[in-house]
Amino acid sequence: QSLLTQPPSVSGAPGQRVTVSCTGSRSNIGAGSDVHWYQQLPETAPKLLIFGNNNRPSGVPDRFSASKSGTSASLAITGLQAEDEADYYCQSFDSSLSGFVFGTGTKVTVL
Amino acid sequence: EVYLSESGGGLVQPGESLRLSCAASGFTFSWFAMTWVRQAPGKGLEWVSALHDDGVGRFYAGSVKGRFTVSRDNSKNTLYLQMSSLRPEDTAVYYCAKGAGDPTRNYYFDYWGQGVMVTVSS
Repeated sequence: QSLLTQPPSVSGAPGQRVTVSCTGSRSNIGAGSDVHWYQQLPETAPKLLIFGNNNRPSGVPDRFSASKSGTSASLAITGLQAEDEADYYCQSFDSSLSGFVFGTGTKVTVL
Repeated sequence: EVYLSESGGGLVQPGESLRLSCAASGFTFSWFAMTWVRQAPGKGLEWVSALHDDGVGRFYAGSVKGRFTVSRDNSKNTLYLQMSSLRPEDTAVYYCAKGAGDPTRNYYFDYWGQGVMVTVSS
């Protein structure tokens, strides 16, 4: 049972903006731990998309952005493209578990 | 270029043991924490274990604590996961990943291997 909750799915037409939420608690996101985001294309390993709440690694398009507030975080994809169709996961550290946690995952579908 | 390659997976019976290896190249292995993450068929990502760069600080998910042991050989640029008392629910693709960030509570995983399948079934 994950401590970070995400919506199972979100969808949007090409060019639209979609957001993926990640709801945690006072023992993880609310405790000040950074939130990171990963993209997993079908049948491939996860790829780091956002680190340190809102930083993009080199090579990640600026269509991807993220934010964090209180016990939650959010990933936004603007100008949605067909290649963005994938599963997205948030990740943080939980102080009560003394371990890392992934979100439940969200499938983004491009209509 | 960073490269991570897992090996050692396979089919085992419940209660048996298995050791996974993760060979790393393209970065100074001894400088970075490493982690194992698994993904059961059709399911989401589950963090399994992490190990600090010095091989001392170890972290485990509750589901594997007491059964799995993470270790590393910095002279061989290799990360290991010794899995014992395996259960059907341990069936998954196991990924190793390179850690980044500081302090520990802000770690993220910036490079991932391709994964190795572990199947626990009688």
